[in-house]
Amino acid sequence: SQKIEQNSEALNIQEGKTATLTCNYTNYSPAYLQWYRQDPGRGPVFLLLIRENEKEKRKERLKVTFDTTLKQSLFHITASQPADSATYLCARPTDTGGFKTIFGAGTRLFVKA
Amino acid sequence: DGGITQSPKYLFRKEGQNVTLSCEQNLNHDAMYWYRQDPGQGLRLIYYSQIVNDFQKGDIAEGYSVSREKKESFPLTVTSAQKNPTAFYLCASSMTAGPGAEQFFGPGTRLTVL
Repeated sequence: SQKIEQNSEALNIQEGKTATLTCNYTNYSPAYLQWYRQDPGRGPVFLLLIRENEKEKRKERLKVTFDTTLKQSLFHITASQPADSATYLCARPTDTGGFKTIFGAGTRLFVKA
Repeated sequence: DGGITQSPKYLFRKEGQNVTLSCEQNLNHDAMYWYRQDPGQGLRLIYYSQIVNDFQKGDIAEGYSVSREKKESFPLTVTSAQKNPTAFYLCASSMTAGPGAEQFFGPGTRLTVL
């Protein structure tokens, strides 16, 4: 069955540095991947969607890449700020149809001032 | 303000009781979803609904039930048949149930079984 794997260890970085989070998937490459941000005790918030024919997508300080050879997506936050501290979730559609989404467990990011 | 709301924020249940979690959206979205989140795990889909008066089981539907009588409402009942109901429950909606549809999440309900 298809899986989404994200680094379960928290990522600690210094303010101003670039944070890079990894999302690995199994089975066939999905048509797209999504990234969400989740703050403690709150619901996730959608950030970006990248399609399999897009190698890279940017939104302000965020950049997402999609490598179908490595079966991997990288999520970058440049010039990180303490307010970027949160858990970031990667998500993909299931291979049985587009109506269901599989979410990774997320990677917790801490940005220190 | 448009959005999706869930109530209550915290819910305590005794073993053997059924409880109902509320989810309401005023985004005019067709699709709605219920997820369960446990520590260290990804969100797991309980039920989803693509349109009013229709819903399908997700990956972990056993012990749960839903209804979709109105477009804006998708309540989830956690029955006594659910063996381990303590978790964080998230409701979401999307404009359609199509591929890539952005999901809007509510603030969640934390259910604890005493």
